[in-house]
Amino acid sequence: DTEVTQTPKHLVMGMTNKKSLKCEQHMGHRAMYWYKQKAKKPPELMFVYSYEKLSINESVPSRFSPECPNSSLLNLHLHALQPEDSALYLCASSQAGGGAGETQYFGPGTRLLVL
Amino acid sequence: AQSVTQLGSHVSVSEGALVLLRCNYSSSVPPYLFWYVQYPNQGLQLLLKYTSAATLVKGINDFEAEFKKSETSFHLTKPSAHMSDAAEYFCAVSDGINDYKLSFGAGTTVTVRA
Repeated sequence: DTEVTQTPKHLVMGMTNKKSLKCEQHMGHRAMYWYKQKAKKPPELMFVYSYEKLSINESVPSRFSPECPNSSLLNLHLHALQPEDSALYLCASSQAGGGAGETQYFGPGTRLLVL
Repeated sequence: AQSVTQLGSHVSVSEGALVLLRCNYSSSVPPYLFWYVQYPNQGLQLLLKYTSAATLVKGINDFEAEFKKSETSFHLTKPSAHMSDAAEYFCAVSDGINDYKLSFGAGTTVTVRA
């Protein structure tokens, strides 16, 4: 099973709202990732967790707050977003510690619209 | 620094024709190379991956890619296009220096004409 699941599939929120995106994998992977993808563009890395510790934060604004409660779950908490944050948010996971050459398996994404 | 360049942002092919998507990479060390496909309103799915075991890599759905070090290329081909191949295709590189990071190309949109 190489499935990464994400909920919700779609989310509409106002700029004062607080919401969360959820990602789950049951492949025993120890690295998990959040990406942001704008239309017709490649994914942009936001955060990486390795063995449940935050390893990479690509200078993401603090209105995005990641959380890794356990090795299977990854959350992205959203607060006071801007309309330009509207995008497809992709979660991915990889087997070991996220070293080079590891295959990243992507979820279907959450399409976020900020009004 | 690692990077990839995908030549051609849009490719249009007839059903049954050869699909050829071009990818050139830049890396200071032997790279790991990937091709991913993204169907409309979906996430990315791995088509194939080069890890230096063989220069010709076979992937899912009859796709294959050939690693050519002399040309720093990793072009993706499929002998006969199906309507279901219409999607966005991304080439990506990981060079072993920047752990966790995939550098994606800009993507190539494939349309298939009946």
